[in-house]
Amino acid sequence: ETGVTQTPRHLVMGMTNKKSLKCEQHLGHNAMYWYKQSAKKPLELMFVYNFKEQTENNSVPSRFSPECPNSSHLFLHLHTLQPEDSALYLCASSRKRGGQETQYFGPGTRLLVL
Amino acid sequence: GQNIDQPTEMTATEGAIVQINCTYQTSGFNGLFWYQQHAGEAPTFLSYNVLDGLEEKGRFSSFLSRSKGYSYLLLKELQMKDSASYLCAVRDSNYQLIWGAGTKLIIKP
Repeated sequence: ETGVTQTPRHLVMGMTNKKSLKCEQHLGHNAMYWYKQSAKKPLELMFVYNFKEQTENNSVPSRFSPECPNSSHLFLHLHTLQPEDSALYLCASSRKRGGQETQYFGPGTRLLVL
Repeated sequence: GQNIDQPTEMTATEGAIVQINCTYQTSGFNGLFWYQQHAGEAPTFLSYNVLDGLEEKGRFSSFLSRSKGYSYLLLKELQMKDSASYLCAVRDSNYQLIWGAGTKLIIKP
């Protein structure tokens, strides 16, 4: 148990569906991250929020839309996804963005797009 | 470009020692992390090196040579529960984490 929870753990959706992934951290951190993890590939950073403000968007397609209502919660809204978006989506948090902060990860949402 | 290299897969025997190497080429260096990830679970933090040398933590040790762009994770007295993927990540000059693809470690009895 890392103090970062994600729901749902598994999700199957069609290309025309809309769904949301939720992440919650109980560590008192101020920075939160979304990563995509595909088989045998490095983690891909998607979005970073620091004190609720989005500080990075690494050229992520607009069919992924993040939302950070407060420092403890992070959402990833999904719509009109493609089969190649099937992957493990990991949320992480750290005390702050930058510096020498360690990131703590949630268990991920395994997404399958049909 | 920035790059982290680590072996895709390694196999070792229970009770033995294994060394997982990581080499990196990044724009600047502000520390190197090792994470362990069991299948279907969260990556969990194992170690952090920012200065050259060996950091020991129980059965796990991590070594760094900044001049060679090289690190290794040493696992001693291997147990079946050590079967997992091990991720190497380097923080660059912009404090971005650059990740390797991970090394899948298989432990055999």
